[in-house]
Amino acid sequence: LAKTTQPISMDSYEGQEVNITCSHNNIATNDYITWYQQFPSQGPRFIIQGYKTKVTNEVASLFIPADRKSSTLSLPRVSLSDTAVYYCLVVASGGSYIPTFGRGTSLIVHP
Amino acid sequence: DGGITQSPKYLFRKEGQNVTLSCEQNLNHDAMYWYRQDPGQGLRLIYYSQIVNDFQKGDIAEGYSVSREKKESFPLTVTSAQKNPTAFYLCASSIQGQGRGEQYFGPGTRLTVT
Repeated sequence: LAKTTQPISMDSYEGQEVNITCSHNNIATNDYITWYQQFPSQGPRFIIQGYKTKVTNEVASLFIPADRKSSTLSLPRVSLSDTAVYYCLVVASGGSYIPTFGRGTSLIVHP
Repeated sequence: DGGITQSPKYLFRKEGQNVTLSCEQNLNHDAMYWYRQDPGQGLRLIYYSQIVNDFQKGDIAEGYSVSREKKESFPLTVTSAQKNPTAFYLCASSIQGQGRGEQYFGPGTRLTVT
């Protein structure tokens, strides 16, 4: 299983763009990069998933360089409600896999 | 509405008692999971099941037991053998064998043992 490394915490201010980077040096060919968001006392929620280049949805963008050894979750114009823990996971496509959640990145958005 | 339900939201027990946490899903997912989360920590896998009548231990299975008699149900029993049972417990499900394994989580059960 590919191990991921991400910052323990980040601070930002309302209206700013936030970029959270995750390292996954031993990612395998059939692995996808997946990000989850978790608010206090709630279950994590799927945000975005990608394989290479750039993926964008209504919530975030995910940038993956050509070597796929890292990825960056980009949250545009954050608000106070984006204060949460963000987890980066590497998951295999198809078949059975056991997702492993690390400690994630605790993002605090200030007024 | 499709999703995962966990009950109860808060649960209090005395030390030495077994307690069972409920998890039900109507997403028709084959795979189900139980995680434990302690304050300021990530999620740790307790048990998972990829098909009915089959389940495997995760990283911290000691002191816990599960059953998977129906596709939609995956109850977790916290036994008296679990040394530090007070925690936030999360149940999840996912499509198995296809797609990219996006997990859907329930709202969680916060267990306090005194």
